[in-house]
Amino acid sequence: DTEVTQTPKHLVMGMTNKKSLKCEQHMGHRAMYWYKQKAKKPPELMFVYSYEKLSINESVPSRFSPECPNSSLLNLHLHALQPEDSALYLCASSQVLGNTIYFGEGSWLTVV
Amino acid sequence: GESVGLHLPTLSVQEGDNSIINCAYSNSASDYFIWYKQESGKGPQFIIDIRSNMDKRQGQRVTVLLNKTVKHLSLQIAATQPGDSAVYFCAENIWQGGKLIFGQGTELSVKP
Repeated sequence: DTEVTQTPKHLVMGMTNKKSLKCEQHMGHRAMYWYKQKAKKPPELMFVYSYEKLSINESVPSRFSPECPNSSLLNLHLHALQPEDSALYLCASSQVLGNTIYFGEGSWLTVV
Repeated sequence: GESVGLHLPTLSVQEGDNSIINCAYSNSASDYFIWYKQESGKGPQFIIDIRSNMDKRQGQRVTVLLNKTVKHLSLQIAATQPGDSAVYFCAENIWQGGKLIFGQGTELSVKP
């Protein structure tokens, strides 16, 4: 079982809604990640945090806003999403950048 | 069974046979490689990794081979079982970047 916990597992939201995805790890990891995965495709990197600071933003639209309140938590705030944003959103963590990355089970997002 | 060529999207093997999943990576600066298994509806699960100073690493029923000359990675699964049915992704990591780049994936189907 993964030690990266994501909530909610499923989320349906309208295009005018504001919602958040949450991720938590208690492995003492100092790097955390958000990935997006469409069906039958590989995960695509969105954001990387290292020691609670944003390290990489892969040119993600501003309707996705990450937040790292502390070393164990990572949030992804969602606002004014489009139907094409429907996907599996994966959180992951690693001890530090460059080490093995461990994934959570993901949050399935449907935008209607 | 054995995969034919690179970038094969699907591989079907008989239970008990050995499976070989191939992957080509693109960046000669990549120094760390990971194989993930992703079952339907779940997040990617770490299987085995290898650093660029090695050419072979063995785990339980799995072996990863790295050929840096041709930038090729393979995953061998011994005595394949129905529970091995999943999509397998190789991923390459560039040191200090924290950016894990996934290959397109191979769907392994095990016939009983």
